[in-house]
Amino acid sequence: DAKTTQPTSMDCAEGRAANLPCNHSTISGNEYVYWYRQIHSQGPQYIIHGLKNNETNEMASLIITEDRKSSTLILPHATLRDTAVYYCIVRVSNSGGSNYKLTFGKGTLLTVNP
Amino acid sequence: DAGVIQSPRHEVTEMGQEVTLRCKPISGHNSLFWYRQTMMRGLELLIYFNNNVPIDDSGMPEDRFSAKMPNASFSTLKIQPSEPRDSAVYFCASSLDPRAQYFGPGTRLLVL
Repeated sequence: DAKTTQPTSMDCAEGRAANLPCNHSTISGNEYVYWYRQIHSQGPQYIIHGLKNNETNEMASLIITEDRKSSTLILPHATLRDTAVYYCIVRVSNSGGSNYKLTFGKGTLLTVNP
Repeated sequence: DAGVIQSPRHEVTEMGQEVTLRCKPISGHNSLFWYRQTMMRGLELLIYFNNNVPIDDSGMPEDRFSAKMPNASFSTLKIQPSEPRDSAVYFCASSLDPRAQYFGPGTRLLVL
């Protein structure tokens, strides 16, 4: 799986959009970008994933650059409860076989301030 | 849905004792994962099962660790004998498709 690079920490004001960047310059054509987050003392939580098109769900939006070498997770209206470590993970996603591995890096600690 | 259930939530034991961690995956999920998280090493995959069969146990640290999944609704991770360096938070996760793994609340293990 391709390596990802994320900033160690970021701050965001409550109510504002939080934009979390991730670099994955060695991503290959069949690798997806996944985002998980981990709120303190809880297990990681799946947020969103994408291949090359931008994706949006009830939690967040994922913007992937045209060359797929980087992406941005957007929390449109950050709340205090969004304070967490956010992990960007790149891996192959296939419905068959057994490639279910997630390799977690150190992630970005997002602190949402009142 | 109750989500992934892990027990116990906290465990304190003495070095040399056997420790058994338990996990009940989300009903209908066919994959189960055991992770370990420490400050030094972060979140590491120990082993995962697909349809109750161990697929990859390359993350299991050593022979003191073993994991079983006797049926689709139950898995155990056993450490025998336990050592202080095994102190960590152990997470169980389950999934139905490759997209989302659903994690349990974790078991916080302290080996004295």
